[in-house]
Amino acid sequence: EVQLVESGGGLVKPGGSLRLSCAASGFTFSSYTMNWVRQAPGKGLEWVSSISALSSSIYYADSVKGRFTISRDNAKNSLYLQMNSLRAEDTAVYYCARVAIAAAGSLWFDPWGQGTLVTVSS
Amino acid sequence: EIVMTQSPATLSVSPGERATLSCRASQSVSTNLAWYQQKPGQVPRLLIYGASNRATGISARFSGSVSGTEFTLTISSLQSEDFAVYYCQQYNNWPPWYSFGQGTKLEIK
Repeated sequence: EVQLVESGGGLVKPGGSLRLSCAASGFTFSSYTMNWVRQAPGKGLEWVSSISALSSSIYYADSVKGRFTISRDNAKNSLYLQMNSLRAEDTAVYYCARVAIAAAGSLWFDPWGQGTLVTVSS
Repeated sequence: EIVMTQSPATLSVSPGERATLSCRASQSVSTNLAWYQQKPGQVPRLLIYGASNRATGISARFSGSVSGTEFTLTISSLQSEDFAVYYCQQYNNWPPWYSFGQGTKLEIK
């Protein structure tokens, strides 16, 4: 069974840092582009960042560029999101999501993890 | 940046009736559009990809279509489990710059 499990969320003060992790199983992790998508409370979905299968291509939404860093460890089947200089508007559930087809770049997302909540508040 | 605009924001439909949800792209995305369903407290679930292809395990009551930059998700004969929020997503850009619509809440009338 394909599974994505996020962890690392929590309460952090404005200006603080947090590192999210996503553990993948049930598929060949090193063959897929991976993504982070977030959803603020009661709001819609916002793409945050993408990383290609071998980490050669990395992209960010303007809202997080320069503050967030996506990375992966294919030996550990894990995806990460290092979040620095956090702001109140970064408060959201953060989902990791796989592109649907191996070796593909821009594609629809399937599956999604269950998400981890990040709350930025003093 | 491609902006995706969904309408209406809220749609009230009676069980057994048909629901039609719209999503408009600010520029051409070809057929590179997906639809997701999200129920309260749950993870987004893929329904449609490539504008009109149903994902694995999705009921034939769900169908997608496109005309230019206007995309439509149609749900025929609504069931109680269909009431949820629906999002469209374009994946046409390269480098990737995914954008989602703001969502349509489908509620019971």
